[in-house]
Amino acid sequence: DQQVKQNSPSLSVQEGRISILNCDYTNSMFDYFLWYKKYPAEGPTFLISISSIKDKNEDGRFTVFLNKSAKHLSLHIVPSQPGDSAVYFCAASARFFRSNYKLTFGKGTLLTVNP
Amino acid sequence: GAGVSQSPSNKVTEKGKDVELRCDPISGHTALYWYRQSLGQGLEFLIYFQGNSAPDKSGLPSDRFSAERTGGSVSTLTIQRTQQEDSAVYLCASSFTGTGTSEQYFGPGTRLTVT
Repeated sequence: DQQVKQNSPSLSVQEGRISILNCDYTNSMFDYFLWYKKYPAEGPTFLISISSIKDKNEDGRFTVFLNKSAKHLSLHIVPSQPGDSAVYFCAASARFFRSNYKLTFGKGTLLTVNP
Repeated sequence: GAGVSQSPSNKVTEKGKDVELRCDPISGHTALYWYRQSLGQGLEFLIYFQGNSAPDKSGLPSDRFSAERTGGSVSTLTIQRTQQEDSAVYLCASSFTGTGTSEQYFGPGTRLTVT
């Protein structure tokens, strides 16, 4: 039972355009969401997070939107750059649970930004 | 400073053999995690260590898997009598504290191939 779903295995965009990566979750106990970026042969690196008390968090070119009623979040990258090409993982945790350290990950979306 | 390191980076072993994977967390990080990423899947939580507390082993897939963390620092994940379905990338992460909002820093992973 996949609690965090990234339904698009891959996404291709042109340099300078917007990249939108989507993530859905089923567990209503999740209240903290993170995006990680992963290059080949490297471990995932933290990108941006959002708490359930917010519906938007912005950091430079990266913005994460959270729609709690739809149990959906998205990561927007504007403008996209070739160096953004990587696998992006959505992850979630339930902060007020005893096991709040556990992150549940989606399967990832491979983003390719074409020059 | 140094990030999380893992060794070996690649391991090929025959079915039925035991393997040991090593993780060196970031100095000063009290929490350490092991994840597994099988082909086409997201990161799957295996085990969590926090200070001197009893580890959370709830993600270990079978009793062939075990892990220890010596002196609150280096951790070893051991897989006994390896099976082909154990083939995956094994990722270690550490964080300053063990809360759901404490950023997890990942190592580059060990790619395990069981033939």
